Formats: sequence, C-alpha cells, structure tokens
Amino acid sequence: LAKTTQPISMDSYEGQEVNITCSHNNIATNDYITWYQQFPSQGPRFIIQGYKTKVTNEVASLFIPADRKSSTLSLPRVSLSDTAVYYCLVGNNAGNMLTFGGGTRLMVKP
Amino acid sequence: NAGVTQTPKFRVLKTGQSMTLLCAQDMNHEYMYWYRQDPGMGLRLIHYSVGEGTTAKGEVPDGYNVSRLKKQNFLLGLESAAPSQTSVYFCASSHPGEGMENIQYFGAGTRLSVL
Repeated sequence: LAKTTQPISMDSYEGQEVNITCSHNNIATNDYITWYQQFPSQGPRFIIQGYKTKVTNEVASLFIPADRKSSTLSLPRVSLSDTAVYYCLVGNNAGNMLTFGGGTRLMVKP
Repeated sequence: NAGVTQTPKFRVLKTGQSMTLLCAQDMNHEYMYWYRQDPGMGLRLIHYSVGEGTTAKGEVPDGYNVSRLKKQNFLLGLESAAPSQTSVYFCASSHPGEGMENIQYFGAGTRLSVL
C-alpha cells in the first residue's frame, strides 16, 4: 500500500484559494489518487479522483505531476463551510484496503 | 435513494456485552467496508467484503466479526465488548473496477461507548 503524507493542519481565509499537497512517493502504476472531505460527526465524502495530469469538477481541482509522487487538491475561493478534514488516499483496482491517514485539518476563517 | 444506512446511531455497552451493527446500502454495490475512527484520528479498516458471502480482514480486525449474507447488508459484530472498542464506526460501499472501488460512499456512523 502506498503511504501518503499530508500537512496536519492549514489555515485560510474566506475567498482564498487553498492548495493541499499530498506526498505518495511509492505510488504504484495502477494506483488512483482519491480525496475525501470529512465534517465533524459525519462520514467522509468523496471529492475528486485522478490518475494523472489534472482533473476538475464542480468542487475542486486535482493536480498530479508527471511522476505522480505527489498530488495537490485545490479548493477555489473557500468559504467557512469548507472547514473540514481532507484525506488523500492512494490505491488500485486490487486495493480494497484503502488507508486513511490523519488527514489535513483545514480551518477557514472569516 | 437512502445510500448507506447504519443502525443504531448511538449505543452504550457494558464491558463483555455483545452487539451487532447493521449496514445497509441500496446502490447495488459489490464492495462493503467497516471502519472505526477514534477521536482526532483517521479511519482504520476493520473488515471488508468484495461480494455476497465473502469477507476479509482489514487493518484492525481483532475483536470483531462480520457477515455478508445479502449483497445489500454488511453486519459488524462485537462478541465481547471492551473499552478499547469505544469509537465511531463507519460503514461504506463502492463499485469495483478502474479506481471505482476507491470512491466509497459512507454512512452517518455509529457512536459506540463501552463502559
């Protein structure tokens, strides 16, 4: 299983763009990179997934460099409601055992 | 669609008691999972299932048993509860194939306290 490393916490202000970088140096060829968001007292919620290059959806963008050893989740113009824990996961077709690390606690301030 | 439903939402047990947590999904997903989350920590996989009638151990399986008799249901049992099993338990489900199994849908959680 590919191990991931991400910052423990980050602070931001409303309206700013937030970038959370995840390091996954031993990512395997078949691994996908998946990000989740978790609010207090709720289960994690899928945000975005990518394999290489850039992926964008209505919530976020995911940037993956060519070597795929890291990835960056980009949240445009955050609001107070984006305060949550964000998890980066790496796994593949046979990777039924996803590993949720400690995640990154994002605090958005007014 | 209700998605993933967990029952009960809260439970208090005494040490040594047993209980079963029920997870039901209405998305026809093949894969189902049980996680536990301790305060301030990430999720740890307890057991998972890749299909009806199959189960497998995850990262922290000791003290738990599971069953997947029907595709839509995944049960987590605690045979003899211990205070160390005080946690929030999350069930999740997903489709197999090309990264899809990594897109998991989670229930609201069961908050369990063992005294």
